[in-house]
Amino acid sequence: DQQVKQNSPSLSVQEGRISILNCDYTNSMFDYFLWYKKYPAEGPTFLISISSIKDKNEDGRFTVFLNKSAKHLSLHIVPSQPGDSAVYFCASNFGNEKLTFGTGTRLTIIP
Amino acid sequence: NAGVTQTPKFRVLKTGQSMTLLCAQDMNHEYMYWYRQDPGMGLRLIHYSVGEGTTAKGEVPDGYNVSRLKKQNFLLGLESAAPSQTSVYFCASSVVSYGYTFGSGTRLTVV
Repeated sequence: DQQVKQNSPSLSVQEGRISILNCDYTNSMFDYFLWYKKYPAEGPTFLISISSIKDKNEDGRFTVFLNKSAKHLSLHIVPSQPGDSAVYFCASNFGNEKLTFGTGTRLTIIP
Repeated sequence: NAGVTQTPKFRVLKTGQSMTLLCAQDMNHEYMYWYRQDPGMGLRLIHYSVGEGTTAKGEVPDGYNVSRLKKQNFLLGLESAAPSQTSVYFCASSVVSYGYTFGSGTRLTVV
């Protein structure tokens, strides 16, 4: 059973500080992990990804870390900004033709 | 520059009624997907298609049917709507199996 778990339904962080969102998975076979960001009344949009052969990928304020031995990945946002308030989903294709998504974490940035 | 367009954006159905949700993409993508989003459940795959004329079941296919007669369109049908199908439905398309572009969603309420 291919599962992606986001154990924190919500997270509040002060503006300017670091936001860390976590994701655990159960399947060892995957090509990529991706993070999607979703604002209310909009569809999810792609944020950042990491391939199975890397342990870190950085894009501006966003960095994703992959720990394959622990089957864990995390998204770091630094510094956090009010526009980062959204729901964040991690997802993977686990080597097949469709994405499996986690349950999401609602991030609230406090001004 | 439309991307993925979903119609309608909102709909209220009575139990037992039928309806069809339309997803159209103008990016010549092979892969198309239908997901539903429910509180605490994340995004769950209903059905998907890896090319014109093909469809496959996802995680939660019961009560839904799909058709992909044209490459650019992916239709999701509810033959006899039930209150459990109250949800927000998202369509997505991609070139490969993980680079999704999502539509803005259809909010369906079944009373």
